[in-house]
Amino acid sequence: EAQVTQNPRYLITVTGKKLTVTCSQNMNHEYMSWYRQDPGLGLRQIYYSMNVEVTDKGDVPEGYKVSRKEKRNFPLILESPSPNQTSLYFCASRISGSSYEQYFGPGTRLTVT
Amino acid sequence: GQQVMQIPQYQHVQEGEDFTTYCNSSTTLSNIQWYKQRPGGHPVFLIQLVKSGEVKKQKRLTFQFGEAKKNSSLHITATQTTDVGTYFCAGPGSNFGNEKLTFGTGTRLTIIP
Repeated sequence: EAQVTQNPRYLITVTGKKLTVTCSQNMNHEYMSWYRQDPGLGLRQIYYSMNVEVTDKGDVPEGYKVSRKEKRNFPLILESPSPNQTSLYFCASRISGSSYEQYFGPGTRLTVT
Repeated sequence: GQQVMQIPQYQHVQEGEDFTTYCNSSTTLSNIQWYKQRPGGHPVFLIQLVKSGEVKKQKRLTFQFGEAKKNSSLHITATQTTDVGTYFCAGPGSNFGNEKLTFGTGTRLTIIP
């Protein structure tokens, strides 16, 4: 089954404790992206990747890092999480080209206390 | 930076009534995409529009892309309870290329049975 998976689905952590949210897709998609969703603000793009070893900032990259060492994986790293990073995070992927159809993962709800 | 606004933010309709959400961008868009997110779920791609003035239909849903490629609308005829959710538009700015994506703030549709 074609899908995007994220782990963990729920995470409660404390300020400053480094964490990684994993994202994996099995559709051989070149493009992958991370978004955060907050009430009243919609989805905001954090980082995106056009292909392996190619990443770029979205609209809200501060406090986040990403890497794209393999085509299928695109982890989101919070080196020193803060309470304002409490949010619902979505990973998405799509094939490069004329179709812009993105496939989203199930989401990761992160709480930083 | 590019801003994408949607109105209304919330819409409550009786089952069977029509529903419309509007999307306005501060910059010209190379294309626009629409997504639906059910309560507790992840965004699901509905459609993309590319051409100026384009109109596409999916059963009871009608999507339009403005002549100036700065606005779009989604119209649902005779709403059903399965239409409940939040509808988002999203578009890359024509100056950025297609990699960076800005989502609208979304319109949450609730149906009164």
